[in-house]
Amino acid sequence: SQQGEEDPQALSIQEGENATMNCSYKTSINNLQWYRQNSGRGLVHLILIRSNEREKHSGRLRVTLDTSKKSSSLLITASRAADTASYFCATFRSNDYKLSFGAGTTVTVRA
Amino acid sequence: EPEVTQTPSHQVTQMGQEVILRCVPISNHLYFYWYRQILGQKVEFLVSFYNNEISEKSEIFDDQFSVERPDGSNFTLKIRSTKLEDSAMYFCATRGDFNQPQHFGDGTRLSIL
Repeated sequence: SQQGEEDPQALSIQEGENATMNCSYKTSINNLQWYRQNSGRGLVHLILIRSNEREKHSGRLRVTLDTSKKSSSLLITASRAADTASYFCATFRSNDYKLSFGAGTTVTVRA
Repeated sequence: EPEVTQTPSHQVTQMGQEVILRCVPISNHLYFYWYRQILGQKVEFLVSFYNNEISEKSEIFDDQFSVERPDGSNFTLKIRSTKLEDSAMYFCATRGDFNQPQHFGDGTRLSIL
């Protein structure tokens, strides 16, 4: 089954605005992780939120997790041009060892 | 901050040839992974490796693929006889403890001609 499906697929915002993207998944998880990928580059880990956590912050990033709805959101506040990238959620379960990635949200921040 | 290092950054190979992609994990990490990303598509899991053996592999990871840690430091992915559809970015990832994030290298872009 597919895990970690993000929406929207693409998001275009003005510098200074907030960007919110959502992730839904289908099975129980141990943790959920958000990654950023700049064009042609590797995946940079942003935040890991465990299944017993509801909210986490890191700088301008805020992640929520609702295990009852099997969903998570990533909020980037006061966006900058440098935030332009693709953002992926990935779920991790205890009965296997892998991360299952969604298709990602492409965020474009206009100066 | 410690990094996962992958070499080469770009590999161009004729179809049918063997390729070996190399990864230097973060030194105290115990779990190693290979993922791939075909251009414009999502990141797909290939294989996980722990305690010198494969923990899990996907249906993509067929008999043409193999992994090993030949010298206890490098972690390699070998594709024995490459196909056109093997063209993709290949990412190595490593992690420490169970609930720790996976750290990814910058990837190897594999182009099969």
